[in-house]
Amino acid sequence: DAGITQSPRHKVTETGTPVTLRCHQTENHRYMYWYRQDPGHGLRLIHYSYGVKDTDKGEVSDGYSVSRSKTEDFLLTLESATSSQTSVYFCAISDPDRGRDQPQHFGDGTRLSIL
Amino acid sequence: SQQGEEDPQALSIQEGENATMNCSYKTSINNLQWYRQNSGRGLVHLILIRSNEREKHSGRLRVTLDTSKKSSSLLITASRAADTASYFCATDTGANSKLTFGKGITLSVRP
Repeated sequence: DAGITQSPRHKVTETGTPVTLRCHQTENHRYMYWYRQDPGHGLRLIHYSYGVKDTDKGEVSDGYSVSRSKTEDFLLTLESATSSQTSVYFCAISDPDRGRDQPQHFGDGTRLSIL
Repeated sequence: SQQGEEDPQALSIQEGENATMNCSYKTSINNLQWYRQNSGRGLVHLILIRSNEREKHSGRLRVTLDTSKKSSSLLITASRAADTASYFCATDTGANSKLTFGKGITLSVRP
């Protein structure tokens, strides 16, 4: 398995509170991604990073922010959590610098419940 | 919006049978990838087929790609109970290595 650790693995919190999810990798991959997975929607891209301090929005970025201050860590923040953000969040990494057509490698997810 | 759409949504077969899953997509792609997800785990990459390839094999997996029809199929031969999982197709259109995933197919292999 690729060295990807997501923390926490489970979290329950209340509407309106800030929440930060962490993704840590030991593979030195340049690209990192945050997805959410919901029944009936598959995986949808929230934000991604193509290098330290280089980030961009994905398909469902509203209500989320990210930061990448070093290669290993990619943080996803919900500034004021809402019940619609209850989901399973996955981090993924890839390294296109190793050649074209590189796959993504996923962490085991964070299950977030917002009450 | 979803780029890939898998078909069927759910599939139940007997151990030893072959499982065929289909994926359709809407725009031009660089490659198409298939992933597996076991319950409670992250996605695991299975196989990648480039836009200029028509068929690819990896162990018991066979993937085909028809760019004229914008469709792909994944065949798992001689299925095992351990193949029980959700399967996703994902398309890479070449923009920052982003993938767009389908909603997935739930495969159940009965012992």
